[in-house]
Amino acid sequence: AQKITQTQPGMFVQEKEAVTLDCTYDTSDQSYGLFWYKQPSSGEMIFLIYQGSYDEQNATEGRYSLNFQKARKSANLVISASQLGDSAMYFCAMREGTFKRGAQKLVFGQGTRLTINP
Amino acid sequence: EAQVTQNPRYLITVTGKKLTVTCSQNMNHEYMSWYRQDPGLGLRQIYYSMNVEVTDKGDVPEGYKVSRKEKRNFPLILESPSPNQTSLYFCASSFTGTYNEQFFGPGTRLTVL
Repeated sequence: AQKITQTQPGMFVQEKEAVTLDCTYDTSDQSYGLFWYKQPSSGEMIFLIYQGSYDEQNATEGRYSLNFQKARKSANLVISASQLGDSAMYFCAMREGTFKRGAQKLVFGQGTRLTINP
Repeated sequence: EAQVTQNPRYLITVTGKKLTVTCSQNMNHEYMSWYRQDPGLGLRQIYYSMNVEVTDKGDVPEGYKVSRKEKRNFPLILESPSPNQTSLYFCASSFTGTYNEQFFGPGTRLTVL
């Protein structure tokens, strides 16, 4: 079963608009972490933001915020005032909390390719 | 500067010729991991290590070996590469624990002819 689902393969947004990238997850653990990474065309993986399952407030990092709705198991990334440099692939990932075999790995979604138009 | 380094960054090789991709981190992280990224499949874990001399298989370990003799290094070994191992490979490291981000290396683009 897919643990991380990103339903938007591609998105096109006008510069300076806000954009929301969707992510839903599936876990039976109570303790888990949710992460967003950006992968520009150069290929590196850049950490953007994370949300812990016990965090009561949504995480924010500059122009990035994470809209965490625990009951719905969603962790959407919101980018405010988009810029041309935001054009990239974006991955949602989860790290589960139990110390079972393999639990520390990041499980990634398929990614959303975001294109910012001038 | 805190970082994860990988070498080589690009490699073209032929089927059956053993190769090693090195990975090193300078953040004293216990946890290290290798992922491969393929179009349409996302990133998948190959092997991971919880600490020195402690390694285990991830989701796609066939055809790969690893070792963790020192805390900072976690090389990925392809004993007999095949074309289906053509991929983009990432090494990552972190402190153990659910809420710790993984730091990724710059990636190694491998082509096996």
